[in-house]
Amino acid sequence: GQNIDQPTEMTATEGAIVQINCTYQTSGFNGLFWYQQHAGEAPTFLSYNVLDGLEEKGRFSSFLSRSKGYSYLLLKELQMKDSASYLCAVRPGGSYIPTFGRGTSLIVHP
Amino acid sequence: GAVVSQHPSWVICKSGTSVKIECRSLDFQATTMFWYRQFPKQSLMLMATSNEGSKATYEQGVEKDKFLINHASLTLSTLTVTSAHPEDSSFYICSARGDNQETQYFGPGTRLLVL
Repeated sequence: GQNIDQPTEMTATEGAIVQINCTYQTSGFNGLFWYQQHAGEAPTFLSYNVLDGLEEKGRFSSFLSRSKGYSYLLLKELQMKDSASYLCAVRPGGSYIPTFGRGTSLIVHP
Repeated sequence: GAVVSQHPSWVICKSGTSVKIECRSLDFQATTMFWYRQFPKQSLMLMATSNEGSKATYEQGVEKDKFLINHASLTLSTLTVTSAHPEDSSFYICSARGDNQETQYFGPGTRLLVL
């Protein structure tokens, strides 16, 4: 089976940097996604990693280490609107269907 | 690009009635559509995957006779919750993926409340 772990909740201060970790155990690997989901809304796509390394996109960056089964999402210059749930999703080998983690609820306070 | 719409955005119905939810890809052809259910403060639970023109593949524990899925065209899939009961109250989200897309794009979700 697939297993994806991420912290349940994190808090951070406006303007700071926060790193949300995700570890996974899957049968093979075919890509890792990060999504942002505001309360009561559908998830929106943030990033996709399939090779090791860091992908930077504005204030958000995502890192992947396939050998360690590990990824993180880095959010810089935090804004209040970044308060949301962040979902890590992993596609197992040979599949195009990702399995979602439980999500990390990020609370940004002034 | 890659916009997915869902209708209705919310619905309240009486127990025993059927509810149909539509999912449309507006600017791309969705060869695959996914239907998820999400309870409060929980993650997305995949219910079924459908490919255009073929029968949906349901996840374990999801009753296919209760949750009818139709994916008749490359831009439209429907989920019908038959004989809805209060325990079916949830947030239903569809997503769509085109042939050359790595990621799936989510619709805005439909909040269902069964009284």
